Amino acid sequence: KNEVEQSPQNLTAQEGEFITINCSYSVGISALHWLQQHPGGGIVSLFMLSSGKKKHGRLIATINIQEKHSSLHITASHPRDSAVYICAAPYSGGGADGLTFGKGTHLIIQP
Amino acid sequence: NAGVMQNPRHLVRRRGQEARLRCSPMKGHSHVYWYRQLPEEGLKFMVYLQKENIIDESGMPKERFSAEFPKEGPSILRIQQVVRGDSAAYFCASSSGTGGNQPQHFGDGTRLSIL
Repeated sequence: KNEVEQSPQNLTAQEGEFITINCSYSVGISALHWLQQHPGGGIVSLFMLSSGKKKHGRLIATINIQEKHSSLHITASHPRDSAVYICAAPYSGGGADGLTFGKGTHLIIQP
Repeated sequence: NAGVMQNPRHLVRRRGQEARLRCSPMKGHSHVYWYRQLPEEGLKFMVYLQKENIIDESGMPKERFSAEFPKEGPSILRIQQVVRGDSAAYFCASSSGTGGNQPQHFGDGTRLSIL
């Protein structure tokens, strides 16, 4: 069973700062997921990546398969980015598995 | 093109009653996952289903909890004889599950409160 660790657990930053959230996992995987959960609780899938780097707007996700590590970056952060960011990996590593989740990073961007 | 639909959004039950949570996957998706988020805790995998089959239920409590995904209709997560500790947000996700890695699309969840 995969174990997923995220850091930091809480992060408060000023608007405009560059944000980095880290994730490590224990079992080799086919793909890693980054999710966003806003107050009120809905979950949005941000990225699914199996190698290299993906970019969507101000969000960038990278993964190093050999080191079992991924990072989520937010450039030019804005108060609307305030949310919980969750890293998730397949339960047993396979592509269609259920996911196991990190505890989440509570991000607050202050104006 | 509707996303994953969960209902009800909020459900209140008294101890000992039954709770039935429904999930309609995205159109064309045949893989459904149920997750639970206890208050102040992270999300936890419960069960993975394909049409008419339970693929992995290793995260689901052995007693009182059951899940199904019939040939027709939504997936149902059923909790019998609810207890206060069942109060949580229950999320459903779906994927097409074909061609290797596919993203999971989440519903808005059902918030279950046990009085």
